[in-house]
Amino acid sequence: NAGVTQTPKFQVLKTGQSMTLQCAQDMNHNSMYWYRQDPGMGLRLIYYSASEGTTDKGEVPNGYNVSRLNKREFSLRLESAAPSQTSVYFCAIAQVLEAFFGQGTRLTVV
Amino acid sequence: AQTVTQSQPEMSVQEAETVTLSCTYDTSENNYYLFWYKQPPSRQMILVIRQEAYKQQNATENRFSVNFQKAAKSFSLKISDSQLGDTAMYFCAFMRTSYDKVIFGPGTSLSVIP
Repeated sequence: NAGVTQTPKFQVLKTGQSMTLQCAQDMNHNSMYWYRQDPGMGLRLIYYSASEGTTDKGEVPNGYNVSRLNKREFSLRLESAAPSQTSVYFCAIAQVLEAFFGQGTRLTVV
Repeated sequence: AQTVTQSQPEMSVQEAETVTLSCTYDTSENNYYLFWYKQPPSRQMILVIRQEAYKQQNATENRFSVNFQKAAKSFSLKISDSQLGDTAMYFCAFMRTSYDKVIFGPGTSLSVIP
């Protein structure tokens, strides 16, 4: 996980609350990604950013927003959390022949 | 769109034995990259092995090797001399270009039994 830091590691939210997951990388890489991991479904792409100032929807973007603040940081926001968003979230960067991941955030929405 | 399929949700193997995890994928691309990632209970995502589609030779990393069949769009992982530390979720993954998003399969949960 060297080079990709995401916070927090754990979070419990009530339905309707909002929160922002933070991700920062020190590998000076252009592309950053947010995935969610659910049992039996692998990692599914929520949003990605190919470069500073650009963001694109992935496979499951509904209920999320993102912000590429600068080259280092890529945040994921839940405006009104729902139980269906209970999941483990990973931030990642992709570089030549490998993707690097943060430690993951376990989010529970009750 | 690219898709990755892993048909074995769970597998088990005796310690020191060999096990093969299956993966198939669908793409219209000719050049791409394939990966196997390991996720132990710590949740960390660890790259196990990768294969570049333009290379015919199967990749090998110590006890881990792949059987890459490009025409069949198959990419299986063989783990030899299985160890207890190999117990983990294993994800097959696809990347269209070297800086593209990574697409994952649903995963195979592997248990190594003492």
